[in-house]
Amino acid sequence: SQQGEEDPQALSIQEGENATMNCSYKTSINNLQWYRQNSGRGLVHLILIRSNEREKHSGRLRVTLDTSKKSSSLLITASRAADTASYFCATDQAGTALIFGKGTTLSVSS
Amino acid sequence: DTAVSQTPKYLVTQMGNDKSIKCEQNLGHDTMYWYKQDSKKFLKIMFSYNNKELIINETVPNRFSPKSPDKAHLNLHINSLELGDSAVYFCASSQEGYTQYFGPGTRLTVL
Repeated sequence: SQQGEEDPQALSIQEGENATMNCSYKTSINNLQWYRQNSGRGLVHLILIRSNEREKHSGRLRVTLDTSKKSSSLLITASRAADTASYFCATDQAGTALIFGKGTTLSVSS
Repeated sequence: DTAVSQTPKYLVTQMGNDKSIKCEQNLGHDTMYWYKQDSKKFLKIMFSYNNKELIINETVPNRFSPKSPDKAHLNLHINSLELGDSAVYFCASSQEGYTQYFGPGTRLTVL
């Protein structure tokens, strides 16, 4: 069953702007992960945040997790055209398979 | 050097045929997975294997069968292919509770 739900479904911004994507989920989790998928390619892991963490940074990425609201956000700062891709959140409930959301399609124009 | 590899990258076949997709990981991970991504980009877990033992099977038709000859390989066999099986299939691997690494995907088209 689907666990995560990203919002918005699609996002178009200009280079240099920040992009924020949100993810909501339904049940308790061990961790939450964000992945990127370029068109026609595989998934690339971006960042993992554990259920006892509230915020995590990696380069231009900032992820927050609010377990009380069962939600997470991914912020990409100073976006570039190369950031154009689909972004998925995925939750890990039992340390095994990931349950993915439907993804946010980000388009960054120069 | 590829961490998780899949073959073939593209597979076009007729309805009713039987086909296999191979997956190999050289990361020494204990767990491997198969996911299906439909035309709307929705990714869904199909199987996972931990030390040669099936631990998840998400209501996948029994026409699909995973085969793991060893810890580094998890192949996907599909019998009697149907139109609805057309999708992109991704293999992944991980150490339990940690990041999953995905293969490049196999685009299956059933005619």
